[in-house]
Amino acid sequence: DAKTTQPTSMDCAEGRAANLPCNHSTISGNEYVYWYRQIHSQGPQYIIHGLKNNETNEMASLIITEDRKSSTLILPHATLRDTAVYYCIVRVPPNYGGSQGNLIFGKGTKLSVKP
Amino acid sequence: DTGVSQDPRHKITKRGQNVTFRCDPISEHNRLYWYRQTLGQGPEFLTYFQNEAQLEKSRLLSDRFSAERPKGSFSTLEIQRTEQGDSAMYLCASSLSVGGPVDTQYFGPGTRLTVL
Repeated sequence: DAKTTQPTSMDCAEGRAANLPCNHSTISGNEYVYWYRQIHSQGPQYIIHGLKNNETNEMASLIITEDRKSSTLILPHATLRDTAVYYCIVRVPPNYGGSQGNLIFGKGTKLSVKP
Repeated sequence: DTGVSQDPRHKITKRGQNVTFRCDPISEHNRLYWYRQTLGQGPEFLTYFQNEAQLEKSRLLSDRFSAERPKGSFSTLEIQRTEQGDSAMYLCASSLSVGGPVDTQYFGPGTRLTVL
């Protein structure tokens, strides 16, 4: 699975959009980009995933560059409850020939949303 | 269904003792994972089950660790002869694999182990 690079920490004002970048320059054609977050003392929470098209759900939007070497997770209106560590993970899904499903977490980006 | 549950949430034990943790996955989920997380680090994969079969084990899973999922539902993780280095958060996750790219893992709240 390709490695990812994320900033160690970021701040965001409450109510503003939070844009979290992730570099995955060695991503291969069949690797998907997944985002999880972990609020303090809780288990990680799935946010969104994508292959090459931009994706949006009720939590966030995922923008993947055309060359797929980087992506950005966007929280459109950050709240204090979005303060968490955000993990960007790239992997081949297990049903598509990847390893049997385990996620490889880095250290993530600690997002602090401030009033 | 309220999600993945883990028991206990906290466990304090003395070095050398055995401990066992339980994970109840989301109903009907066929895959179950165990991860370990130490302070300041992301979760690290330990082992994975598809139904009752243990299909993959990380090299982090020493011979003091054993995991079971006897009926393809709940799972237990046992650590024998605990060491201080075993102190960590132990996370369980489950997913429903039906083919395709979506294999979203849903995590439980974790069991925090402290070995004195």
